[in-house]
Amino acid sequence: QIQLVQSGPELKKPGESVKISCKASGYTFTDYAMHWVKQAPGKGLKWMGWINTYTGKPTYADDFKGRFVFSLEASASTANLQISNLKNEDTATYFCARSSYGGFDYWGQGVMVTVSS
Amino acid sequence: IQLTQSPSLLSASVGDRVTLSCKGSQNINNYLAWYQQKLGEAPKLLIYKTNSLQTGIPSRFSGSGSGTDYTLTISSLHSEDLATYYCYQYNNGYTFGSGTKLEIK
Repeated sequence: QIQLVQSGPELKKPGESVKISCKASGYTFTDYAMHWVKQAPGKGLKWMGWINTYTGKPTYADDFKGRFVFSLEASASTANLQISNLKNEDTATYFCARSSYGGFDYWGQGVMVTVSS
Repeated sequence: IQLTQSPSLLSASVGDRVTLSCKGSQNINNYLAWYQQKLGEAPKLLIYKTNSLQTGIPSRFSGSGSGTDYTLTISSLHSEDLATYYCYQYNNGYTFGSGTKLEIK
């Protein structure tokens, strides 16, 4: 069965970096783009961008240009999100989601990142 | 494209017909999807391309609309439909609406 399994929760200090992984299984990884979505505590969903899993080319939403990097370990069917110079407002749950013909049909379970001094 | 969902909070009874609204700031050309998110869970795709039901989703969920105005309808509310519902456009970039929280009376 198709699954996206994300790495575990993270507790970081402001200024540090974090790398979140999203391991796909049950389908051909390079056939579907991978998107990233942020959800701050008690807030709605915010689209961060996506990565072409065939070419490795990332595309970032305007609010996520600069400190955010999408990458792949294609041989391991894994997409990664790295956030550098963490700020308090980066505290959120980060989801990976597989893009299909009309939407995001499979989602990871989410990773809670807490930034606190 | 900005998406405005209304109402932000909706309280309804089991068995009610429920309608949620999503309005775009520009023409979305039917590239609109709906997601359901239950507390503590990842979102789930319900409807894509305005009115196509995702595999495995109960038929009490339906979508309609065109241009800038779209609707998600639950024909007969079940208690397990307690969730927040988000619309999402993929016509011009990608944007989520702010969500409608559905409460069961």
